[in-house]
Amino acid sequence: EVQLLESGGNLVQPGGSLRLSCAASGFTFRNYAMSWVRQAPGRGLEWVSTLSGVGDDPYYADSVKGRFTISRDNSKDTLYLQMNSLRAEDTAVYFCARNSPTATSILFDCWGQGTLVTVSS
Amino acid sequence: EIVLTQSPATLSLSPGERATLSCRASQSISGYVAWYQQKPGQAPRLLISDASNRATGIPARFSGSGSGTDFTLTISSLEPEDFAVYYCQQRSTRLWTFGQGTRVEIK
Repeated sequence: EVQLLESGGNLVQPGGSLRLSCAASGFTFRNYAMSWVRQAPGRGLEWVSTLSGVGDDPYYADSVKGRFTISRDNSKDTLYLQMNSLRAEDTAVYFCARNSPTATSILFDCWGQGTLVTVSS
Repeated sequence: EIVLTQSPATLSLSPGERATLSCRASQSISGYVAWYQQKPGQAPRLLISDASNRATGIPARFSGSGSGTDFTLTISSLEPEDFAVYYCQQRSTRLWTFGQGTRVEIK
């Protein structure tokens, strides 16, 4: 069974930093690109970042570019999101999701339960 | 950036009724949209890929259609567990976007 387990969410002050982790199991982690998707309280889904299976060529949403860094350790089957210069608008539940290619696109076929990041003084 | 607009924002229906959810793209999509279901306090769940292919384990009452700029998710006969928020999603080069969601609530 595919499982994704996020951790690292916390309350942090504006301008602070936090690192999220996502531990994967039940599939060959290195064979899949992985992503972070967030959801602000009471709001919709927002894609944040994606990283290939080999860990090169990261993609970022404009809202986090230059502040967030996605990485992975395939020896530990773990995905990370380093978040710096945090702002109030980064407050959200952060989901880890597995990317899966289809005939015409790449989507998110498995999701973790999420970890809450709150940015507030 | 392609913007996805979902309508209506809220759909109030009774169990057994048919639900029709719309997702319109601001420009033609080269691929197709995916649809996700999210219940309160839970992670999203993939329902439909490539506009019309049901994901593993998704009941046949869920169907998708559309191409270009207009896509539709249909639930043929609502079950109690179907009341949730539904999102469409598309991928452009180096970017993924979601619609703002349609809430299907019990009337």
